[in-house]
Amino acid sequence: DQQVKQNSPSLSVQEGRISILNCDYTNSMFDYFLWYKKYPAEGPTFLISISSIKDKNEDGRFTVFLNKSAKHLSLHIVPSQPGDSAVYFCAAMGGGSEKLVFGKGTKLTVNP
Amino acid sequence: DAGVTQSPTHLIKTRGQHVTLRCSPISGHKSVSWYQQVLGQGPQFIFQYYEKEERGRGNFPDRFSARQFPNYSSELNVNALLLGDSALYLCASSFRVRGIGETQYFGPGTRLLVL
Repeated sequence: DQQVKQNSPSLSVQEGRISILNCDYTNSMFDYFLWYKKYPAEGPTFLISISSIKDKNEDGRFTVFLNKSAKHLSLHIVPSQPGDSAVYFCAAMGGGSEKLVFGKGTKLTVNP
Repeated sequence: DAGVTQSPTHLIKTRGQHVTLRCSPISGHKSVSWYQQVLGQGPQFIFQYYEKEERGRGNFPDRFSARQFPNYSSELNVNALLLGDSALYLCASSFRVRGIGETQYFGPGTRLLVL
């Protein structure tokens, strides 16, 4: 079963606008959530994380929001830049498990 | 500072062969995890090692094994290769195993093709 779901395989936005990437999870034991960015032929690059004791974390142009009651998190990128074009993975961990559980990814394209 | 390094970058094997993939963690990191990523999917957890001991294992057959050395580097071994083992194999390191907020940092991966 897919414990972490990214329901949008792709997203296209204009440069300078906001990009919003969404992620849902089913396992209530998850307590730490991460977003990774991946370019082709490279490993995932860590972007930002949030623990379950918070509902928002911000780092420069990137903000992650966590809604525990809805088991939903989102990544906001403002303003979007063409260099942000990549596949974005949502990942979660918790419940005493040592592993990261990933979604299938969302391909973001930022058009100049 | 160097990030996570993996070798080789690419590898071609035939069915039934054995493969060894190598990983060096970020300096100071003591935990190494291995993931498999097939096309169109997110990475899937294979193993985690900390202080040379296995701390977690994913849903992979016994053909997959790993170990961690005293310098915290790690090897992933896959025996009796199948076509379905073709994937990008990712190594990630973290300072320790699970504490709140323990971020894993990934290497560039080894792309394995089994013919």
